[in-house]
Amino acid sequence: QLVLTQSPSASASLGASVKLTCTLSSGHSSYAIAWHQQQPPKGPRYLMKLNSDGSHTKGDGIPDRFSGSSSGAERYLTISSLQSEDEADYYCQTWATGIRVFGTGTKVTVL
Amino acid sequence: EVQLVESGGGSVQPGGSLRLSCAASGFTLNSYEINWVRQAPGKGLEWVSYISGSGDTIYYADSVKGRFTISRDNAKNSLYMQMSGLRAEDTAIYYCATDDPVGGAFDYWGQGTLITVSS
Repeated sequence: QLVLTQSPSASASLGASVKLTCTLSSGHSSYAIAWHQQQPPKGPRYLMKLNSDGSHTKGDGIPDRFSGSSSGAERYLTISSLQSEDEADYYCQTWATGIRVFGTGTKVTVL
Repeated sequence: EVQLVESGGGSVQPGGSLRLSCAASGFTLNSYEINWVRQAPGKGLEWVSYISGSGDTIYYADSVKGRFTISRDNAKNSLYMQMSGLRAEDTAIYYCATDDPVGGAFDYWGQGTLITVSS
């Protein structure tokens, strides 16, 4: 079964970096994912598509502070030079024939 | 500018029906595979349904199968979701979101429309 696992929360100080993890279920370690940001009460915003080799393609207007990387079944989103507006929920998402799947989301708090 | 705009949300009683629309501007929707995604109050994102560019291929989440029907009218650059047999647990903000051209990443999102199912 295709499942994405995320930690519920993460925090870091203003100007620091934070690294979020999204783990693919067993047997799905080659899958690409996407990262999305949701600043309450807004709708989601596409950040990037991240491949298993760590290559990634960002959405329109996404700052360089957002980067992605991969290792095995884990997909990472690193936010550098944290800004107050980065305080949001971050969801990973993947896909296969017949299905689209979201992780449970990570709430990022900027201290 | 690429835009997706949902409409049709509102309040409905359990067992009722509602039809959502998603209008695209700034691009030709018929080139895109597109999805409905929902978010219950205080909860995470849940994929609901997918339709291919031609409309020939359709998928549903188990939670809505048999109750919701996705469709599209490429001539009107629009996507629809006919919802029937609505339940309290269908209460959510509903978003439309396009698949990116080379995979299933949701690369454009609408702003959402709220459906409240309550007696």
